[in-house]
Amino acid sequence: GENVEQHPSTLSVQEGDSAVIKCTYSDSASNYFPWYKQELGKGPQLIIDIRSNVGEKKDQRIAVTLNKTAKHFSLHITETQPEDSAVYFCAASFNDYKLSFGAGTTVTVRA
Amino acid sequence: EPEVTQTPSHQVTQMGQEVILRCVPISNHLYFYWYRQILGQKVEFLVSFYNNEISEKSEIFDDQFSVERPDGSNFTLKIRSTKLEDSAMYFCASSEERNTNTIYFGEGSWLTVV
Repeated sequence: GENVEQHPSTLSVQEGDSAVIKCTYSDSASNYFPWYKQELGKGPQLIIDIRSNVGEKKDQRIAVTLNKTAKHFSLHITETQPEDSAVYFCAASFNDYKLSFGAGTTVTVRA
Repeated sequence: EPEVTQTPSHQVTQMGQEVILRCVPISNHLYFYWYRQILGQKVEFLVSFYNNEISEKSEIFDDQFSVERPDGSNFTLKIRSTKLEDSAMYFCASSEERNTNTIYFGEGSWLTVV
């Protein structure tokens, strides 16, 4: 089955700096790569996703890049703000609903 | 914004007892899922449900687990005889369609088996 590795497990950044989280996946058939943000006491919330026919996608301060050849994808958050502090999960899937998640990255934005 | 709602938010149960976790998916969604996250581990897929039947299940989803859509709004996960290792956060999720749509997660039900 699919195996997703996520790094780093924790990330502390100064407010205004950028944060980058990287994930690798094992199954070359995977074609859907969402990123979820989980705040304390809440469920995962989708923040951005990318499909394998696209190399990069951007939504305001958040961007995701995908390298299918290398089987890795990354989340970039620019101009970080305190409200960006949360746990971020990457995931990969072949058929969209059976998501294989990474272990999560705890992001702390220092004011 | 529409959301997936789950009850209870936290349940403590004795080992061997039956537990039912409830979910109300987003109203126009057709695909329903359960995932779980054991403390300190990854979020894991359990089961998907469409058109009143299971469409796929993982190895974790053994005979102790069952799902049901008893009416037009609720989607339940039943654990027949709980074990200590069933302690986890259980997330319900739903999506409008397969292959093109976003999966929306509920806030989770934290199950503690003692």
